[in-house]
Amino acid sequence: QKEVEQDPGPLSVPEGAIVSLNCTYSNSAFQYFMWYRQYSRKGPELLMYTYSSGNKEDGRFTAQVDKSSKYISLFIRDSQPSDSATYLCAMSGYGGATNKLIFGTGTLLAVQP
Amino acid sequence: DAGVTQSPTHLIKTRGQQVTLRCSPKSGHDTVSWYQQALGQGPQFIFQYYEEEERQRGNFPDRFSGHQFPNYSSELNVNALLLGDSALYLCASSTGQGAILYAFFGQGTRLTVV
Repeated sequence: QKEVEQDPGPLSVPEGAIVSLNCTYSNSAFQYFMWYRQYSRKGPELLMYTYSSGNKEDGRFTAQVDKSSKYISLFIRDSQPSDSATYLCAMSGYGGATNKLIFGTGTLLAVQP
Repeated sequence: DAGVTQSPTHLIKTRGQQVTLRCSPKSGHDTVSWYQQALGQGPQFIFQYYEEEERQRGNFPDRFSGHQFPNYSSELNVNALLLGDSALYLCASSTGQGAILYAFFGQGTRLTVV
């Protein structure tokens, strides 16, 4: 069993839709939960991070973490064609510089105009 | 600020050959981590370099080795290439005293082994 599971999609939605992306994990030591966006032929860029459980909002993006269920989500409101990309969840045991990131497989999102 | 730069962007190698990939970290960063991203998969941690030493290593064979130079740039070397080594190799830089949360990724090197 992988430490982090993520539905690979692809997920196709119309412009303006609310998008829900999810990951589950098995390692209870994870404390930092991140969402990266990766455009085709580019490196991942950090969208949001959350420490421990709870919600975090940044513009059209909301990240949720439920440690009791080992489940994290990213919601995108009013989705735009420019949001079309692969979304990767990533986790870390702690936020220190020495720690590695454990990634999900990524979900490919296509927002249709 | 140039951000994290990797070279080359693409290369094709034959099975059994050796390859060297290069990474220049973002200005002010002294820690470099390497990841392998196979097609349709998430990045997998290979190793991390800080102060010219390998500080942490993922589950990769000894064919994968690296180096960090005094200017913080880094190389990833892969010997005896296998077809399964075909992937996007990503370099991420961060500060030794900072958090992994502030890691920046380069655009990657696409390696194809034939």
